[in-house]
Amino acid sequence: EDKVVQSPLSLVVHEGDTVTLNCSYEVTNFRSLLWYKQEKKAPTFLFMLTSSGIEKKSGRLSSILDKKELFSILNITATQTGDSAIYLCAVCGTSYGKLTFGQGTILTVHP
Amino acid sequence: NAGVTQTPKFQVLKTGQSMTLQCAQDMNHEYMSWYRQDPGMGLRLIHYSVGAGITDQGEVPNGYNVSRSTTEDFPLRLLSAAPSQTSVYFCASSRTSSYNSPLHFGNGTRLTVT
Repeated sequence: EDKVVQSPLSLVVHEGDTVTLNCSYEVTNFRSLLWYKQEKKAPTFLFMLTSSGIEKKSGRLSSILDKKELFSILNITATQTGDSAIYLCAVCGTSYGKLTFGQGTILTVHP
Repeated sequence: NAGVTQTPKFQVLKTGQSMTLQCAQDMNHEYMSWYRQDPGMGLRLIHYSVGAGITDQGEVPNGYNVSRSTTEDFPLRLLSAAPSQTSVYFCASSRTSSYNSPLHFGNGTRLTVT
């Protein structure tokens, strides 16, 4: 059975801190790993990672994949209150019929 | 751009009632899917469709039916609601069912079954 585990489950930081969110996985026929940010409503897409060691960056957010050790990290530098959200990691097998989500990490950023 | 539209936003049902959650997308996406989100359990796939006329079961299909008669619409039917179906339901679509096509989510339907 495919499995995705995120850690920590929740995290409270102050504005300006840097955070690292973790996602480890066991999946048959790995094809891609996706990160989403969920505020009050729909999850919104952040990154898709398919190759080991290649960092994806968007502003203060970055992510990298390690296919040998079966994990990914999402880094957020200089956090802001607007970064408060649930961050979801999902791993895709051969197609989206095999997309498995982790439990999510709840990030709270205090002013 | 409407994207993925779900209706209703909120619904309260009594045990045993049936209802349909609506999902429509205007992006001509091939792939559509339904997830439920429960605290501590992440998003779990209920049913999905790779094109009009084709549907398949996900991880938690029991108690739910789907059909895909058009590319745009993918309704989710609850046949006889149970309290265990209290959850937030998300519809999601992507251009293809390929691993390199990101999912786009609707805003969700919060369902309570009493």
